[in-house]
Amino acid sequence: GAVVSQHPSWVICKSGTSVKIECRSLDFQATTMFWYRQFPKQSLMLMATSNEGSKATYEQGVEKDKFLINHASLTLSTLTVTSAHPEDSSFYICSARGLVEPMEQYFGPGTRLTVT
Amino acid sequence: SQKIEQNSEALNIQEGKTATLTCNYTNYSPAYLQWYRQDPGRGPVFLLLIRENEKEKRKERLKVTFDTTLKQSLFHITASQPADSATYLCASRGGGYNKLIFGAGTRLAVHP
Repeated sequence: GAVVSQHPSWVICKSGTSVKIECRSLDFQATTMFWYRQFPKQSLMLMATSNEGSKATYEQGVEKDKFLINHASLTLSTLTVTSAHPEDSSFYICSARGLVEPMEQYFGPGTRLTVT
Repeated sequence: SQKIEQNSEALNIQEGKTATLTCNYTNYSPAYLQWYRQDPGRGPVFLLLIRENEKEKRKERLKVTFDTTLKQSLFHITASQPADSATYLCASRGGGYNKLIFGAGTRLAVHP
């Protein structure tokens, strides 16, 4: 199956700093990528949808100025958590979808962010 | 609103038995359903996709059915093994919406 990678797999940062997470589709082109966050024992919560070359669409309640998304190419999307606070600590997962129907959606392994 | 429900939060079965997980959808008609496996601390792994015009799909010990009359998909793992223990998620896109709608997941535990 298709592979989506994420980097880093875990990161610890101090409150007030910014953290960038990269998501790559390794063996397919993805016009659409998604960013999710997941709290312990809960299901995935969609944060935003990004299409290559255009602005991301954020879900209600997600601050676009805090969670900056860049989808610069068909294989790379980045999520930057700006001015991170401890409540931003979570598991962030990206996902990518192929170009051709039925467009299965593949997920990265996730990034564990801890803000101290 | 469009909704996907996985009826069982948790399912415990004995090794070697068949595990059957249920996914029901309401207020829309998805063109296809996707099933994922998620292990703790990992992202979901794609398992199977079944289209609305397919009654059944198989992959090794996995079988998925799609019943548009009952608005339901069943996910079966035959000859289950302890290594199959994980959370299984049902998801779909429907009605022209761009994003996947997820069920809450069923946590499967296979006991030796």
